[in-house]
Amino acid sequence: DVKVTQSSRYLVKRTGEKVFLECVQDMDHENMFWYRQDPGLGLRLIYFSYDVKMKEKGDIPEGYSVSREKKERFSLILESASTNQTSMYLCASSLLVRVSPLHFGNGTRLTVT
Amino acid sequence: GQQLNQSPQSMFIQEGEDVSMNCTSSSIFNTWLWYKQDPGEGPVLLIALYKAGELTSNGRLTAQFGITRKDSFLNISASIPSDVGIYFCAGQGPNYGGSQGNLIFGKGTKLSVKP
Repeated sequence: DVKVTQSSRYLVKRTGEKVFLECVQDMDHENMFWYRQDPGLGLRLIYFSYDVKMKEKGDIPEGYSVSREKKERFSLILESASTNQTSMYLCASSLLVRVSPLHFGNGTRLTVT
Repeated sequence: GQQLNQSPQSMFIQEGEDVSMNCTSSSIFNTWLWYKQDPGEGPVLLIALYKAGELTSNGRLTAQFGITRKDSFLNISASIPSDVGIYFCAGQGPNYGGSQGNLIFGKGTKLSVKP
């Protein structure tokens, strides 16, 4: 079974802090994704990557950056956390084939105070 | 851009009832996926559909890829308490460029137990 592991289930950070959310997958998947999930808004794509050192902006990249130095690891960075970034963050991975479904981690619930 | 409408937004179930939910798109999809999310967990893939007209079952769950390629439905038969959660549809359009950046999610259907 594919395992996508997010390093923290819950995080509380202060406004202005730099925040790192880490995600690791163990199935040699090429694609990795970061989503945020908010009530009433569903899942929104922040960034994705289809190869090491490659990244593409999703629908809501503002205020975020990402890093993919190794195939199995995809990090989401909040350069200066703000209260409107309080959310559930979900990492996902998939094979680089035409119709490969996403496999999600368990999420990180981030609160910015 | 492409829009996905999922309905209903929420529903209450009584044990033993059948449940139905659907998603419609403003444009054609090549793939439909159905996920379930339990509280505090990430979404888990239930069923994947790859061909128009395809009907696929996974235990008590049945999903169909609409013949127009613009809709899909999910049925749950004889619901049980552990069926509660949020169900998401997701679709992938024909402009797939190898990176799956165009996977679009519905806003979810929240299933709760009838009080």
